[in-house]
Amino acid sequence: QQPVQSPQAVILREGEDAVINCSSSKALYSVHWYRQKHGEAPVFLMILLKGGEQKGHEKISASFNEKKQQSSLYLTASQLSYSGTYFCGTDLSGNTPLVFGKGTRLSVIA
Amino acid sequence: EAQVTQNPRYLITVTGKKLTVTCSQNMNHEYMSWYRQDPGLGLRQIYYSMNVEVTDKGDVPEGYKVSRKEKRNFPLILESPSPNQTSLYFCASSRTGGTGELFFGEGSRLTVL
Repeated sequence: QQPVQSPQAVILREGEDAVINCSSSKALYSVHWYRQKHGEAPVFLMILLKGGEQKGHEKISASFNEKKQQSSLYLTASQLSYSGTYFCGTDLSGNTPLVFGKGTRLSVIA
Repeated sequence: EAQVTQNPRYLITVTGKKLTVTCSQNMNHEYMSWYRQDPGLGLRQIYYSMNVEVTDKGDVPEGYKVSRKEKRNFPLILESPSPNQTSLYFCASSRTGGTGELFFGEGSRLTVL
């Protein structure tokens, strides 16, 4: 039931773009995205509810494709501060606990 | 300041010595949860609570107990810790269940020798 994230890790230079994917084998009600910097707690980025909406947070945006049961996180013109591990969390019904993927480690270098 | 507070932040203990990790939130959240984080495995849920006196098992509940006697507190109890429970533990809370933004505590790093 754990969602599958890809890639597992990615290295970018400042200014480059990246896409992180999150796929589920089951129909989803919502997808959550969190970022965890090294040595810190995960921090909420955004929630996407079923309906295929796209959301944005600074230069980070995400989409949710219900039919494909997947979500993608888009990081545009990456900055050093974007480095960290990104987790997606999936919710099946709106009243079930989040199940997190294993994470994608993003490293942005100068 | 809205926060989730965990204690202790770091603990080294020995096999079999009972310990409790406390978690307290000041946001009047109904939902609270415990996760463990291990390299390469992501965040795995141990137990969660939808409200006072209501607790449920997550994905990896073996060896752990919890209680939710009051809304703000959700302690994690290891009755007889074993080395495979060495991990980084996070407590989190949200206003609602699965659809709410989760606020995480700073984490408790536990080592069981």
